[in-house]
Amino acid sequence: SAVISQKPSRDICQRGTSLTIQCQVDSQVTMMFWYRQQPGQSLTLIATANQGSEATYESGFVIDKFPISRPNLTFSTLTVSNMSPEDSSIYLCSVERSASGEGDTQYFGPGTRLTVL
Amino acid sequence: AQSVTQLDSQVPVFEEAPVELRCNYSSSVSVYLFWYVQYPNQGLQLLLKYLSGSTLVKGINGFEAEFNKSQTSFHLRKPSVHISDTAEYFCAVITTGGFKTIFGAGTRLFVKA
Repeated sequence: SAVISQKPSRDICQRGTSLTIQCQVDSQVTMMFWYRQQPGQSLTLIATANQGSEATYESGFVIDKFPISRPNLTFSTLTVSNMSPEDSSIYLCSVERSASGEGDTQYFGPGTRLTVL
Repeated sequence: AQSVTQLDSQVPVFEEAPVELRCNYSSSVSVYLFWYVQYPNQGLQLLLKYLSGSTLVKGINGFEAEFNKSQTSFHLRKPSVHISDTAEYFCAVITTGGFKTIFGAGTRLFVKA
């Protein structure tokens, strides 16, 4: 498994500001993922972040709005820029672990609950 | 492309009753299957997973799921639920050799006293 922490756990922000969410993993991983979970909805993948390269964004998400950093193999940040109330969601960090013969399994952090006023 | 359908958006059930949460998937290639649980105001926790081998998979908290390849289903069951099982449950798939997990819409299990 993996132990993943996120900061902050929650925040209330004003429209037009930006928030940076941090994700820390207990051991080195190749891929880290950022998801958004809007109220009452399932998870939507924002982007995949590999260390040493630009993040890969899913359709509907752009780097200017959600810049991601991946400075090393245990840490990543997601910034939600120029926020609007529509950005109010839970943002989840995730990593993939692949043990021999075990396949690929994703593990999730506790999430960051963002409210934009 | 893969897709996941959770057939029930909400499942109310009385405490100590059995429950089944239904999940069907669609994929043209082999997949791994997962169930995650999300308790109120928390992140996702892996409940169980099917990778290969026995089609009946046992997970944490007394849950189990059965992989049925012919019906492309992976239904989650528990013989006797507790109030503490009240949560959102997500079914998910990933292709073997892939890295993107596809999630279903979720099923809210509400256990009543």
